[in-house]
Amino acid sequence: QKEVEQDPGPLSVPEGAIVSLNCTYSNSAFQYFMWYRQYSRKGPELLMYTYSSGNKEDGRFTAQVDKSSKYISLFIRDSQPSDSATYLCAMQNTGNQFYFGTGTSLTVIP
Amino acid sequence: KAGVTQTPRYLIKTRGQQVTLSCSPISGHRSVSWYQQTPGQGLQFLFEYFSETQRNKGNFPGRFSGRQFSNSRSEMNVSTLELGDSALYLCASSRGPDPPNYGYTFGSGTRLTVV
Repeated sequence: QKEVEQDPGPLSVPEGAIVSLNCTYSNSAFQYFMWYRQYSRKGPELLMYTYSSGNKEDGRFTAQVDKSSKYISLFIRDSQPSDSATYLCAMQNTGNQFYFGTGTSLTVIP
Repeated sequence: KAGVTQTPRYLIKTRGQQVTLSCSPISGHRSVSWYQQTPGQGLQFLFEYFSETQRNKGNFPGRFSGRQFSNSRSEMNVSTLELGDSALYLCASSRGPDPPNYGYTFGSGTRLTVV
């Protein structure tokens, strides 16, 4: 079993829709949680970094962490065509080791 | 503020050759990590450097090596290239070696093709 599981999609939504992206993990040692966005031919770009259960909001993006269920989510409100990218979740333990999901490909259709 | 700079952006090499990739982290970032990204395997950790010392190493053969210089710039080397080494190699820097260090800033990567 992989330590981080992420549905690869692809996910296709109409412009303006709410997008929900999810990851599950198995290791309780993960204390820090991230979402990255990766456009084609680019490196991943950090969207959200959080280290507590609950919600963290930044503009149209909300990251949700449920440590008891070992589940994290990223919600994108009012999705735009420019949100079309691959989204990677990542977990970090206290030893500074990162574990990435395989990514979910998102297309927002105008 | 300049981002993470990786050079070269693209490389084509022949099997058996060796290659050196370069990374300049964000100014003030002293921790540098390298990842290999392929469509089938996703992001796979190669190594992490801090203060010129390798702190962590992933599960890659000894053909993959790296180093960090006193100015935090880093290089990775792959010797005796194999076709399976074709991938996007990403360098990432962070503020420090211990969390919370607010995640990585990635470069745009070096796309290596081995023929």
